[in-house]
Amino acid sequence: ILNVEQSPQSLHVQEGDSTNFTCSFPSSNFYALHWYRWETAKSPEALFVMTLNGDEKKKGRISATLNTKEGYSYLYIKGSQPEDSATYLCARGNEKLTFGTGTRLTIIP
Amino acid sequence: EPEVTQTPSHQVTQMGQEVILRCVPISNHLYFYWYRQILGQKVEFLVSFYNNEISEKSEIFDDQFSVERPDGSNFTLKIRSTKLEDSAMYFCASSFKLAGGTYEQYFGPGTRLTVT
Repeated sequence: ILNVEQSPQSLHVQEGDSTNFTCSFPSSNFYALHWYRWETAKSPEALFVMTLNGDEKKKGRISATLNTKEGYSYLYIKGSQPEDSATYLCARGNEKLTFGTGTRLTIIP
Repeated sequence: EPEVTQTPSHQVTQMGQEVILRCVPISNHLYFYWYRQILGQKVEFLVSFYNNEISEKSEIFDDQFSVERPDGSNFTLKIRSTKLEDSAMYFCASSFKLAGGTYEQYFGPGTRLTVT
C-alpha cells in the first residue's frame, strides 16, 4: 500500500446498529495514526491518536484498533445514533499528516 | 472548549490577486499547520510552522505561498498571485506535543477560497 486508503467510501446504517470501517496505510516508517470525525461546515474533530501496534482506544460508543505490522486500523461505532452521521477521516503521520479520502457515514433513523 | 478559528469562511478572488487567509490557533499550542482540500480530493498537507520558522513544507507550497505569525496570536497563509487551481478549502491546525512525541492536531472549520 502506497497511500492511505479508506473503505467503504460511504455507508448507510440503521439507527441502533453497530458498524465499522477500515483505514489502510503503508506500514513502513510508521509513526502515528489519527482518526477525525468531520461534520459538514464544522471543524474536523480529533477522535484518536494511536502509535503502538495493538493499540485500542475508546471514546464513548466509538473505538479504534491499530495494526502497524499489516498497516490497518478499524473504527467501530456501537449502537449508531443520528448524530454519528459524518465523514470519518484517518491520517497517517505525525507533524505532516497524510489523509485518506474518508468514509461518509449516514445513520438512517 | 478552546478551538481554532479561521477567517473569512469564504473568499472569492480574481486570478492573479493576492489573498491572506487568517487563523487563530489554540492559545497554548506551539505548532501550526496549513492543509487544503480541493473539491473531491483528499486533504493535503501544505506546511508546518514552529518557533517562527517553517519546519516542513510540501511540493505544493511553492514560492507563491508564505506563512507568518505576525503578532503571537494570528497565523496567516498568503498566496501572492492566485491561480484557478488554488481554489480549495484551506484548513489551519494547531497542536501541542503529547508525551511520547506525537502531535494531536486540532483543525479550524476552513476557509473556502474560490479563484475566478
